[in-house]
Amino acid sequence: EVQLVESGGGLVQPGGSLRLSCAASGFTFSNFEMIWVRQAPGKGLEWVSYISSNGLTIHDADSVKGRFTISRDNAKNSLYLQMNSLRVEDTALYYCARDRSSRFDFWGQGTLVTVSS
Amino acid sequence: DIQMTQSPSTLSASVGDRVTITCRASQSISSWLAWYQQKPGKAPKLLIYMASNLESGVPSRFSGSGSGTEFTLTISSLQPDDFATYYCQQYNSLWTFGQGTKVEIK
Repeated sequence: EVQLVESGGGLVQPGGSLRLSCAASGFTFSNFEMIWVRQAPGKGLEWVSYISSNGLTIHDADSVKGRFTISRDNAKNSLYLQMNSLRVEDTALYYCARDRSSRFDFWGQGTLVTVSS
Repeated sequence: DIQMTQSPSTLSASVGDRVTITCRASQSISSWLAWYQQKPGKAPKLLIYMASNLESGVPSRFSGSGSGTEFTLTISSLQPDDFATYYCQQYNSLWTFGQGTKVEIK
């Protein structure tokens, strides 16, 4: 059974940093592209950052470019999102999802990031 | 950037109704479109990909159609489990989601 479990969310002050993790199981993690998608409270879905299966290709949404860094460790079946210079508008539930030919076929349950003073 | 616009934003319907949600792209995306269902407190679930292909395990009352810039998601006979928010997503150029359509009980 495919499972994606996010962790690392929490309350942080504006300008602070957090590192999110996503532990994958039930599939060959190294064969799949992965993505982070976020959802602000009561709002819609927004893709945040994408990484290819080998980690060599990365795409970041303009809203996080230069502040967030996606990475992966295929040996540990894990995906990461390093978030720096956090802003109030980054407050959201952050999902990791498996990318199968650019559609997202499995999602974690999300980890909540709250940016507030 | 490609913009995706869904209509309506909210839809009130009864069990057994035929429901149609429309998604329009700001430029042609061929058939690179997916539909997701999201229930409160849950992660989105993939329903349809490549505009009209049903994801494994999704009930056949769900169907998708369209190409280019206009797409539809149809639920042929609305069931109690289908009251949720639905999102379209283009993947022709990076990714963009529509703003969502909430299907609520009439």
